[in-house]
Amino acid sequence: DAGVIQSPRHEVTEMGQEVTLRCKPISGHDYLFWYRQTMMRGLELLIYFNNNVPIDDSGMPEDRFSAKMPNASFSTLKIQPSEPRDSAVYFCASSPGTSEQDTQYFGPGTRLTVL
Amino acid sequence: TQLLEQSPQFLSIQEGENLTVYCNSSSVFSSLQWYRQEPGEGPVLLVTVVTGGEVKKLKRLTFQFGDARKDSSLHITAAQPGDTGLYLCAGEREGGADGLTFGKGTHLIIQP
Repeated sequence: DAGVIQSPRHEVTEMGQEVTLRCKPISGHDYLFWYRQTMMRGLELLIYFNNNVPIDDSGMPEDRFSAKMPNASFSTLKIQPSEPRDSAVYFCASSPGTSEQDTQYFGPGTRLTVL
Repeated sequence: TQLLEQSPQFLSIQEGENLTVYCNSSSVFSSLQWYRQEPGEGPVLLVTVVTGGEVKKLKRLTFQFGDARKDSSLHITAAQPGDTGLYLCAGEREGGADGLTFGKGTHLIIQP
């Protein structure tokens, strides 16, 4: 298996522009997680899905952020409009379940820079 | 306020030395995980501890879960340059939602 795939790996955009980050989870995994990592705040959970349904979006910072999972093999995280403070590395992770024995597998991340 | 406090934040030691990093909280966790992250990559799971007082060993790495399931430690014996990376602890709060809460991590550098 190729693991969790994220695109793009790097994104540089200007303030006010729309940004869309993409994720393909590992086939057969029922859970998908979006995280954001910064030096100041560390790794923060933004939202997670179970069987394509959003379960907990309490970590989404503002209405400018939205996430969708139209099918089991694809998810997007959209920021509209983007702001410089959104600059961070965004990770997608997938897991077969959420028991202690279920590992979360992380993608390589998308490094977002908003100028 | 960070739910999981990791210390130290940064640690640079010589190859062959021993070290311990800590992960502390005032909350009880049903399980706690340790991840290692290298530059440009996502975190990779090292171990999961579930039972209070549990000790797990992974070669030169020893992980311990506190008796009260509020804290954990990672001890590395005879550190090697390949151990360099960001070590993150993450927990699933007892009675909480399914998502993991991460600490900010310990940046470890092992100098040859």
